[in-house]
Amino acid sequence: AQSVAQPEDQVNVAEGNPLTVKCTYSVSGNPYLFWYVQYPNRGLQFLLKYITGDNLVKGSYGFEAEFNKSQTSFHLKKPSALVSDSALYFCAVSQWGNTPLVFGKGTRLSVIA
Amino acid sequence: SQTIHQWPATLVQPVGSPLSLECTVEGTSNPNLYWYRQAAGRGLQLLFYSVGIGQISSEVPQNLSASRPQDRQFILSSKKLLLSDSGFYLCASAGTDTQYFGPGTRLTVL
Repeated sequence: AQSVAQPEDQVNVAEGNPLTVKCTYSVSGNPYLFWYVQYPNRGLQFLLKYITGDNLVKGSYGFEAEFNKSQTSFHLKKPSALVSDSALYFCAVSQWGNTPLVFGKGTRLSVIA
Repeated sequence: SQTIHQWPATLVQPVGSPLSLECTVEGTSNPNLYWYRQAAGRGLQLLFYSVGIGQISSEVPQNLSASRPQDRQFILSSKKLLLSDSGFYLCASAGTDTQYFGPGTRLTVL
């Protein structure tokens, strides 16, 4: 069975500092990994994905994530946080791409000016 | 790119009343379609998914049902709502490997 863990319910970071939102996963075979962001009372917005290839994936709004197979992790990063990055972030995994995603519980990011 | 529409945006219903939420998709053909529920602004629970017209898989047995009468239309229904059905309902569509989400429907059952 697939699973995703986001160990931090809340991450606080000062504006301009680098940010990391952690994600680890468990899946049989090669994983399809995704990050989504959700603003209050809105749907989820796709940020980036890892399917295959380069372990460092670049996505929308300056975010990137690094796939680490040995640590089964897919942490989301950004070099310099903005107040507007404050939102709820979800990591998700699927086994064969076009199958239902399994989501983590979400991490609330708060960027303080 | 595909666009997912959901309506209504918000809904307040009494316990025991029926429910119909609609999701339509533009910009893709034969997508996989999904209904999720999000409680208390956190985790997402997959309710139903569909790989084609009339094909529905239920992930969580409960008083909700789903139907897919057309390729790009996905409907979530209930005959009698419970208080526990309150939440934020999200429809998603996947053409190849990435799911895209609609804006959601906020349902409050009183």
